[in-house]
Amino acid sequence: KAGVTQTPRYLIKTRGQQVTLSCSPISGHRSVSWYQQTPGQGLQFLFEYFSETQRNKGNFPGRFSGRQFSNSRSEMNVSTLELGDSALYLCASSPEGLNWETQYFGPGTRLLVL
Amino acid sequence: AQSVTQLDSHVSVSEGTPVLLRCNYSSSYSPSLFWYVQHPNKGLQLLLKYTSAATLVKGINGFEAEFKKSETSFHLTKPSAHMSDAAEYFCVVSDLSGTYKYIFGTGTRLKVLA
Repeated sequence: KAGVTQTPRYLIKTRGQQVTLSCSPISGHRSVSWYQQTPGQGLQFLFEYFSETQRNKGNFPGRFSGRQFSNSRSEMNVSTLELGDSALYLCASSPEGLNWETQYFGPGTRLLVL
Repeated sequence: AQSVTQLDSHVSVSEGTPVLLRCNYSSSYSPSLFWYVQHPNKGLQLLLKYTSAATLVKGINGFEAEFKKSETSFHLTKPSAHMSDAAEYFCVVSDLSGTYKYIFGTGTRLKVLA
């Protein structure tokens, strides 16, 4: 099976712009989670989608949003970018999003905000 | 609510010597516990997981961890370090008590000296 793929891998944006990141989960996986990784804050949970519905949400402002399509692919959007949004954004998938399931991570999208 | 603490941010060992990466967790429910490894500029890869079966869990690349409920610990060990083990290691707790299913520790960067 192909692993989790994320596009693009690298992105440079300027403050105030918006950005959309894409994640394709492992075939058959219905849960997709997004994480932000920064040197200062570590790995923080953004949100989880299951069957096209946001099921869990982390403590991030409303500028961060996401969606999931019927084929389980997911996108996350960040509007009005700030310098502090520079980070590695990781997507992970699992079959049902159950707490004992392994999450399979993509390689990440590295976003730089100038 | 669940939480996880990785007691060392950096660990250095010589090649061929044992590795010990420490992790303590807090959970009101029966947790699932995971160790992930992240090599530079790569996504996260599962090393091993505990999900209420055997308390001694064996993972990939010779790593193992022991779940000790009385000590609320899930330390990661390896008998003999290899240069390729140099990476960042994350302990993760997941249970049903909180909104965020996966809570990551702050990470331990393992350095292996020749």
